[in-house]
This record gives sequence, C-alpha cells and structure tokens, in this order.
Amino acid sequence: SYVLTQPPSVSAAPGKTATITCGGNNIGSRSVHWFQQKSGQAPVVVVYFDSDRPSGIPRRFSGSKSGNTATLTISRVEAGDEADYHCQVWDTSIDHPVFGGGTKLTVL
Amino acid sequence: QVRVQESGPGLVKPSETLSLTCTVSGASINSYYWGLIRQAPGKGLEWIGNTYYSGSTKYNPALQSRVTISIDLSKNQLSLKMTSVTAADTAVYYCASLLMVRGRGVFDIWGQGTMVTVS
Repeated sequence: SYVLTQPPSVSAAPGKTATITCGGNNIGSRSVHWFQQKSGQAPVVVVYFDSDRPSGIPRRFSGSKSGNTATLTISRVEAGDEADYHCQVWDTSIDHPVFGGGTKLTVL
Repeated sequence: QVRVQESGPGLVKPSETLSLTCTVSGASINSYYWGLIRQAPGKGLEWIGNTYYSGSTKYNPALQSRVTISIDLSKNQLSLKMTSVTAADTAVYYCASLLMVRGRGVFDIWGQGTMVTVS
C-alpha cells in the first residue's frame, strides 16, 4: 500500500519560515492535502488539492510538490501555528485515503 | 454551514461492540460523502471507512472484518459499529465530510471527535 513519510518534528522561530515535507512514491502525480491539528482539537484542512487554501486560511500557508516530495510552507510563523500537521493523499489504486504520520511544529 | 457532531459511549469493554453516531446539521446527509477516521493517543490519523447515502461503503482492509458504517437518512446521521474491540481500538473517533473531485478525496469538514476507551 502507498506510504507517506513525514518528519516527526520541525521547529521555527516566530517570523521565520517553517517547511514540512511529505514524501511518497511519485507524489507529484497525486493531489496532496494538509491538515493542522492543534492540541486537543480536530484536524482542520489548511491546504487542499496541492496548493488551494480553504476560506479563512491565511496566505501564509502554501503547498507545493515535486517528484517524490510535497511541502507545506508556513511563512512568518506565529506562536498560534504550533500544532501537528498531517498530509493526506488518495490512493486511486485501491480507492481510499492515506495519511502521513504527522509532524509536530514547535514555534521557538 | 455543515456541522457534524460525534457521540459515543466513552468506555467500552474488551470484546464488546463499539457503537457511535455522527449527527449532521446544516445540510442533508445525502449531499455528501462521509468518512470516519480515528486517532489513538499520541498517534497519527487512521482511516476507518467511507460511505455515501446510496449505501456504497469502503473500509480500511485492516478493520474491514469488524467494521460497519451506515446512514440513517431520516435522522441525518451516520453510525459506526466496530465489533470485538481491544485496547488497540482506544482512540478519538472523528466523522468528516469527504469532498470528492475527479475520484480523489479530502476530508474537508471534521467533527470535534469523541474519545472511546476500551477497558
């Protein structure tokens, strides 16, 4: 089955840029979605279909992908961005979703 | 605005059946696909299954033998039944609407989740 690999943790100082990666075989050919999950809360989609942002999500959140890696970039990091971030794709070969293991973003 | 609210038993004994319900408000349940996802303490997200009001369902192969997802149109609810639970089924269980575009989906609206402990 398809596997998505995320680093367990990433850190960034306020005002800096945080980069969270999601690796998968030929992920560039798939639609990638990103969720933010703050402590004790449900996940919220922050980027979907690679680079689109739902209404209400700041432009500081952006998505990209190339080859075997998708990337969520958070510009001008704020303390309120501290959360777990999960990537998700749809495995069309078996018609169901796949989640990455999640990355904890720590704001220094 | 679509909202979904999970309700569950809180505590289930090993080997028994876990039953939980997701109530949809703000839209008809038959307007969307729906998914169930769980998250064990300190772990990542695990997909349980998807359903559509027509009765079409798909399950995680690892759970398929123990899981049933169904929809009650009259109550605008979906439900999950998981049999023969063990401590490994202890998790927060989420319902979410599933936005499908050209055969690929994203869980776009999530409920707050309900914690289920097997003990």
